[in-house]
Amino acid sequence: SQKIEQNSEALNIQEGKTATLTCNYTNYSPAYLQWYRQDPGRGPVFLLLIRENEKEKRKERLKVTFDTTLKQSLFHITASQPADSATYLCALEGGNTGKLIFGQGTTLQVKP
Amino acid sequence: DAGITQSPRHKVTETGTPVTLRCHQTENHRYMYWYRQDPGHGLRLIHYSYGVKDTDKGEVSDGYSVSRSKTEDFLLTLESATSSQTSVYFCAISEGQGYGYTFGSGTRLTVV
Repeated sequence: SQKIEQNSEALNIQEGKTATLTCNYTNYSPAYLQWYRQDPGRGPVFLLLIRENEKEKRKERLKVTFDTTLKQSLFHITASQPADSATYLCALEGGNTGKLIFGQGTTLQVKP
Repeated sequence: DAGITQSPRHKVTETGTPVTLRCHQTENHRYMYWYRQDPGHGLRLIHYSYGVKDTDKGEVSDGYSVSRSKTEDFLLTLESATSSQTSVYFCAISEGQGYGYTFGSGTRLTVV
């Protein structure tokens, strides 16, 4: 069955450092991969989308890579800030209905 | 979030009663989705719609039904609520394949 794995352990880093979150998947060939941010008590917020034929995508301090051979995406936040503390969700999309399958998310804590 | 609202925000109901959750959008997006989010499981798709009166099942559809009689409204009904349906329910909208989702603020449902 399709499976998406994100590190369930919280990631703790110091302010100013680069945070790197990992998303691995099996039994799936997604056309797109998306990353979301979720704060406690709120709905997820869309951050970035990367297509299967793209290796890397950037948006301000965010960078996403997509390796379809390794079946892995890396999500980087450079110059991290305490305000970046949240849970980050990886989601895969395939087919023509736009349905997303979500990973369970990794919680990032940025300490001042 | 702007353009999508869920109601109610919180609800407590008794086992065996029917419950309807509403999702309303003002974006005129074709695709609408209902997810539930539980600790240890992440976001799981219940049902989705790809147009008025066009709906399909997701991975956890048992015990749920949906209706979409207008582009802007997508209703989720629990026919006979059970304690296992205690969860946070999120509605999302999308323009389709290759687009990010916009999520609502969620409905916290407790079945006692």
